Amino acid sequence: RKEVEQDPGPFNVPEGATVAFNCTYSNSASQSFFWYRQDCRKEPKLLMSVYSSGNEDGRFTAQLNRASQYISLLIRDSKLSDSATYLCVVNGFQKLVFGTGTRLLVSP
Amino acid sequence: DAGITQSPRHKVTETGTPVTLRCHQTENHRYMYWYRQDPGHGLRLIHYSYGVKDTDKGEVSDGYSVSRSKTEDFLLTLESATSSQTSVYFCAISDGSGRALYNEQFFGPGTRLTVL
Repeated sequence: RKEVEQDPGPFNVPEGATVAFNCTYSNSASQSFFWYRQDCRKEPKLLMSVYSSGNEDGRFTAQLNRASQYISLLIRDSKLSDSATYLCVVNGFQKLVFGTGTRLLVSP
Repeated sequence: DAGITQSPRHKVTETGTPVTLRCHQTENHRYMYWYRQDPGHGLRLIHYSYGVKDTDKGEVSDGYSVSRSKTEDFLLTLESATSSQTSVYFCAISDGSGRALYNEQFFGPGTRLTVL
């Protein structure tokens, strides 16, 4: 089993839609969690950190379920500019484990 | 954006030649990392550094060495490049202080390496 697993997608949604991604992780001792966004041929950029039960930043909401060992990312009112690959990242100690990413395509 | 640069940004080389990639930061962060990204594998840690002259191996360190003689510079060397090392290489940094447990990392723009 991979340490971090994501549905690769792509998720094709129209502008204005709400879309959710899930990610599961295998290490129950993991302490912190992140969502990164990666545009084509660019570096990953930190989108959100998830420190406890979840947090919200504008149109983006991240939630953590420790009991079931999954993290979710909800994007409301999708914009064309949200088209990217979203990486689920789980922290051990001073190391990050990256999922392979979920690709989102937002169309007009 | 965090002050991280990588050089070169693109390189084509031949099998068996040595290659050195450079990561430079202006954030004075303690921790620096080298990753490679390949289709189907996501980002994989090659080596990391937790201070000047302090380095450790990641999950895919074979064929790579690193050096860190100054806080701001972290070098990745492929002693004898092979075609399997064709990849995109990202450097990342984190400050590792206070919120070390959370270890948010910030990435450089990447280097595209092709080994023929």
